[in-house]
Amino acid sequence: EAQVTQNPRYLITVTGKKLTVTCSQNMNHEYMSWYRQDPGLGLRQIYYSMNVEVTDKGDVPEGYKVSRKEKRNFPLILESPSPNQTSLYFCASSFGRGHTEAFFGQGTRLTVV
Amino acid sequence: DQQVKQNSPSLSVQEGRISILNCDYTNSMFDYFLWYKKYPAEGPTFLISISSIKDKNEDGRFTVFLNKSAKHLSLHIVPSQPGDSAVYFCAVPIPSGGYQKVTFGTGTKLQVIP
Repeated sequence: EAQVTQNPRYLITVTGKKLTVTCSQNMNHEYMSWYRQDPGLGLRQIYYSMNVEVTDKGDVPEGYKVSRKEKRNFPLILESPSPNQTSLYFCASSFGRGHTEAFFGQGTRLTVV
Repeated sequence: DQQVKQNSPSLSVQEGRISILNCDYTNSMFDYFLWYKKYPAEGPTFLISISSIKDKNEDGRFTVFLNKSAKHLSLHIVPSQPGDSAVYFCAVPIPSGGYQKVTFGTGTKLQVIP
């Protein structure tokens, strides 16, 4: 089954404690992205990756890091989480670039206290 | 500055009637537009897309219309069904230094009343 898998689904952490949210896709997609969803703000792209070792900033990259060492995996790293990073996060992948249909993961609900 | 705007946060429609969701964009150079649907506790799912070389694209009950002169697109759902109740996002891929970002609107929550 074609899917994008994120882990964990829920996470509560404390300010400053480094964390990683994993994302994996089994469709051999080149393009992968991370988004955050906040009330009234819709989905905002954090980082995206065009292919292995090729990443670039989206609209809200501050406070986040990503890596793309393998085609299937695109982890999101918060080196020093802060309460304003409390949000619902989605990973997505697509075959082509942004103009092609994206498949989204189930989401990760992160709370930073 | 928002490049893609959905000005209606919510919409209620009776079952069987037409739902019209709107999206405005700022840059006439945008050449592709997508709609996604999102249910609570799930990730968004792709619904329909349209290229700027067209003014209409249809897929079953869903039709997207593009008015390039007005920089406006709309999603029509006919007939609306209770299962269509969800949040709908329009999205635009935006060239960025040889790559391509994707910008989403803020979403419209559709409620279809049985």
